[in-house]
Amino acid sequence: DGGITQSPKYLFRKEGQNVTLSCEQNLNHDAMYWYRQDPGQGLRLIYYSQIVNDFQKGDIAEGYSVSREKKESFPLTVTSAQKNPTAFYLCASTQTGVQETQYFGPGTRLLVL
Amino acid sequence: GENVEQHPSTLSVQEGDSAVIKCTYSDSASNYFPWYKQELGKGPQLIIDIRSNVGEKKDQRIAVTLNKTAKHFSLHITETQPEDSAVYFCAAEGHSSASKIIFGSGTRLSIRP
Repeated sequence: DGGITQSPKYLFRKEGQNVTLSCEQNLNHDAMYWYRQDPGQGLRLIYYSQIVNDFQKGDIAEGYSVSREKKESFPLTVTSAQKNPTAFYLCASTQTGVQETQYFGPGTRLLVL
Repeated sequence: GENVEQHPSTLSVQEGDSAVIKCTYSDSASNYFPWYKQELGKGPQLIIDIRSNVGEKKDQRIAVTLNKTAKHFSLHITETQPEDSAVYFCAAEGHSSASKIIFGSGTRLSIRP
């Protein structure tokens, strides 16, 4: 099966703790993205990467960090600096082209204990 | 800046009736308009898209229309069924957006039995 996988499905964070969300794709897509979705809200871009070893901040990058060491993987770390991390996190990828269709993973729900 | 406005935010229709969701966009250079369906607790899934060289596209009970002059596009679902209940997002290609896709704020569609 080709697609995007995210793990875990649910994640709990304690105060002051860093947590890392996994995103893997086997679609051979160049670009990958992280979005945050709050209840009843649209999608807000956190970080994106268009190529291995390169990534850029999106609209709400504060309190988050990413890496892109492999084409297939784009993990997101929610740091202790993110004071309101409770949300649904979505990873997406696209094949770089003229008009890009974004394909989404199943999401990770992050909750604060 | 570029933006996509989506209406209505919530929509309830009787099973078997039609549902229409409308979006407007600001970037006159946009040429690609995907629609996503998001079921509860899952990632958005692409259901249909349209490119600017056509005015209408249909796939079974789903159709999308595009008016480039007025800069708006719409999703039409006919003969609605309970499984159509979900949140629907429109999106438009964005040339200055980091993710190159700008999403609307979503429409929660409920199908009444």
